[in-house]
Amino acid sequence: AQSVTQPDIHITVSEGASLELRCNYSYGATPYLFWYVQSPGQGLQLLLKYFSGDTLVQGIKGFEAEFKRSQSSFNLRKPSVHWSDAAEYFCAAEETSGSRLTFGEGTQLTVNP
Amino acid sequence: GAGVSQSPRYKVAKRGQDVALRCDPISGHVSLFWYQQALGQGPEFLTYFQNEAQLDKSGLPSDRFFAERPEGSVSTLKIQRTQQEDSAVYLCASSSPDRGLLGAFFGQGTRLTVV
Repeated sequence: AQSVTQPDIHITVSEGASLELRCNYSYGATPYLFWYVQSPGQGLQLLLKYFSGDTLVQGIKGFEAEFKRSQSSFNLRKPSVHWSDAAEYFCAAEETSGSRLTFGEGTQLTVNP
Repeated sequence: GAGVSQSPRYKVAKRGQDVALRCDPISGHVSLFWYQQALGQGPEFLTYFQNEAQLDKSGLPSDRFFAERPEGSVSTLKIQRTQQEDSAVYLCASSSPDRGLLGAFFGQGTRLTVV
């Protein structure tokens, strides 16, 4: 079955430190991949997406993600975390463009001052 | 409007009550999705519309759940005889034909609490 896995339920980092959130997918063929962020009481905001081509994708708010086909991974990174980055982050995949999204369980990010 | 609008933002229902959740997608967006997000979980797909046609309703958990989009714009998700396990945030998302460039846009959700 198609699935998206985020191994880390909760991550805590210090402000200014680097960040990497892990995401693995299980699909028959390489899906389209997304990272969303959700702040308390808010909807999902798209950070970045991978459809094809370059394996390093740049997004908003200084985030980037690297697609690794050999590892079925799409990890999200940020060189220096800000306190405002504290939120829940969801990795998602879709089999074809415009189809339903399958989400991971989410990673809750806490940022310490 | 500027984004996807959902109403109400919060709904408390007594067990057994019927509820209706509304989604106003971005104008011109052909595709509309409903997702259910339980506490501490990722969103899970419920149903999908392309214009007024409901093309996929495989995620609806029971026949108490019903969705419609009669004019291809506003959509309503109806839950009959609500039960406690229906408590969740219901998210609506819409996208345009060129969504390959833009992705789906999500509303803020309706938080349903069944007591």
